[in-house]
Amino acid sequence: DAKTTQPNSMESNEEEPVHLPCNHSTISGTDYIHWYRQLPSQGPEYVIHGLTSNVNNRMASLAIAEDRKSSTLILHRATLRDAAVYYCILRDRTSYDKVIFGPGTSLSVIP
Amino acid sequence: NAGVTQTPKFQVLKTGQSMTLQCAQDMNHEYMSWYRQDPGMGLRLIHYSVGAGITDQGEVPNGYNVSRSTTEDFPLRLLSAAPSQTSVYFCASRPSGGAATDTQYFGPGTRLTVL
Repeated sequence: DAKTTQPNSMESNEEEPVHLPCNHSTISGTDYIHWYRQLPSQGPEYVIHGLTSNVNNRMASLAIAEDRKSSTLILHRATLRDAAVYYCILRDRTSYDKVIFGPGTSLSVIP
Repeated sequence: NAGVTQTPKFQVLKTGQSMTLQCAQDMNHEYMSWYRQDPGMGLRLIHYSVGAGITDQGEVPNGYNVSRSTTEDFPLRLLSAAPSQTSVYFCASRPSGGAATDTQYFGPGTRLTVL
């Protein structure tokens, strides 16, 4: 299965944009890129997903490289409530039953 | 909708005891799964189910049993608890159809300590 690589931790100042990177150099053509986040003492929650084109929703934006070997989750204005662990995962039609999470990126937001 | 619910929220066991972690969802989702999360680590898949009567192993299935008799419920059983099973357990569900775009919904977790 294709794997993802993320930095262990990142810091951001409040109200500044945050770019969370994810590398997935072995991604296949049918893999969707999903992002989840886990707030302290809570279960993970869905953030955004995409296949090839950049995607926007009310929570974040997802920028996908042209070769799809990397992607970036963008939080446009970080708030203290965005402090969480962010997971980048790949989903495809052949292994969709198993959703595997890596260690993710722990984001700290500095007031 | 209540979403995904888990009981209990906290549990302390002695080594060798057995117990069942409960998970229920009211969204009529076909797919359900159990994860464990150890301190400072990501989630590891224990078991999953693609529908009532069908279960399969994930990454770390040893020491755990599951069954799926209804669409709504997916209990996780520890037959003989060990300290290595001290962890936070999350249940998740997602719609059927097998689309790679499916969103997973997670429960609030059960914090288990085995002494």
